[in-house]
Amino acid sequence: DAMVIQNPRYQVTQFGKPVTLSCSQTLNHNVMYWYQQKSSQAPKLLFHYYDKDFNNEADTPDNFQSRRPNTSFCFLDIRSPGLGDAAMYLCATSRARAPGQALVETEAFFGQGTRLTVV
Amino acid sequence: DQQVKQNSPSLSVQEGRISILNCDYTNSMFDYFLWYKKYPAEGPTFLISISSIKDKNEDGRFTVFLNKSAKHLSLHIVPSQPGDSAVYFCAATSYNNNDMRFGAGTRLTVKP
Repeated sequence: DAMVIQNPRYQVTQFGKPVTLSCSQTLNHNVMYWYQQKSSQAPKLLFHYYDKDFNNEADTPDNFQSRRPNTSFCFLDIRSPGLGDAAMYLCATSRARAPGQALVETEAFFGQGTRLTVV
Repeated sequence: DQQVKQNSPSLSVQEGRISILNCDYTNSMFDYFLWYKKYPAEGPTFLISISSIKDKNEDGRFTVFLNKSAKHLSLHIVPSQPGDSAVYFCAATSYNNNDMRFGAGTRLTVKP
């Protein structure tokens, strides 16, 4: 059974029209990540949550926002999509590594991704 | 700022031979390293990891080596099988943060 589920798998949106991508998990992990991946490039970390603690990457455009209403769900909101925002968006979850704790193996589990097309 | 680099976009090997995939990192705070495998139309799946207190971790046909002084790690697959053909991503994370950063990936093709 899928443990990290992203909906939809494919999303087509109009230039400038707000769009929301969703991610849910059944693993009860307290860390959730959103990555943007363009063709043949590294998945780029946009932001991550440690529980409700939001961590935004310095170079993530303001156009990208996120919500995490509870442990299981996380949303990526793109307020005004541009053509350059067309990409694969990957959601992932992991157990947290709290500062000061002994090393804990915390591999991330990924969803299948949402491919966003902007027309 | 690309903190994790995979400089070989592709690698082709013959079935039964060894595949060696390389990864370099720049952030000395990274202390846990992971390899992921990705098939088309699927999300990456975890393959093997290594912590900075080790220099080698082995799991079946897969071995990861870590050279901290060189900030370099490698994934060895032996013997390589056609089913290993996929994109392999290197990732790294640091003890004081829950971020996880990825390289650009290496596309491995194992020829029968």
